[in-house]
Amino acid sequence: EVQLQQSGAELGKPGTSVKLSCKVSGYNIRSTYMHWVNQRPGKGLEWIGRIDPANGNTIYAEKFKSKATLTADTSSNTAYMQLSQLKSDDTAIYFCAMGGAELDYWGQGVMVTVSS
Amino acid sequence: DVQMTQSPSYLAASPGESVSISCKASKSINTYLAWYQEKPGKTNKLLIYSGSTLQSGTPSRFSGSGSGTDFTLTIRSLEPEDFAVYYCQQHNEYPYTFGAGTKLELK
Repeated sequence: EVQLQQSGAELGKPGTSVKLSCKVSGYNIRSTYMHWVNQRPGKGLEWIGRIDPANGNTIYAEKFKSKATLTADTSSNTAYMQLSQLKSDDTAIYFCAMGGAELDYWGQGVMVTVSS
Repeated sequence: DVQMTQSPSYLAASPGESVSISCKASKSINTYLAWYQEKPGKTNKLLIYSGSTLQSGTPSRFSGSGSGTDFTLTIRSLEPEDFAVYYCQQHNEYPYTFGAGTKLELK
């Protein structure tokens, strides 16, 4: 059974960074892409970007190019996303998901709250 | 970016009824459209990809159709577990984009 387990909720101060993790079990992440999606309070889903863990290649949505950094550790089968220069607007639920194009499996989501 | 316009935003129906949800792309996405189901306490579930291909495990009462810019998700003979939020997503080009969602509620 494929499972994506995300790290716990984060509380970050404005201007700081947080790093989220997404550990995959039941599937080798080298054989897929890892995507990140957010959902701001009361809003819909927004694609942030994806990484190819086999070679580290990344693609980002334009608005997240200076906000998010995607990495992956194939030895631990884990994907990461670092969010930098946090602002209140970054408060959202962040999901990891895996798939070549469509998102076959999703993590449970993690709440990131930005507050001083 | 490809804009995805999903309608309706809310839909009320009863078990046994059939419903349809529309998703329109701002430009052609061929057949590269996926549908997801969101339910409280569960991870998001891929239902359909490439417009009409059912993901393994998706009940046959779900169907997807369309190509180019116009797509439809149809659920025939609603079951109690189908009341949820549904999103469409284009996977034709980056950045991937989602519709705003349709909340299917029990009438």
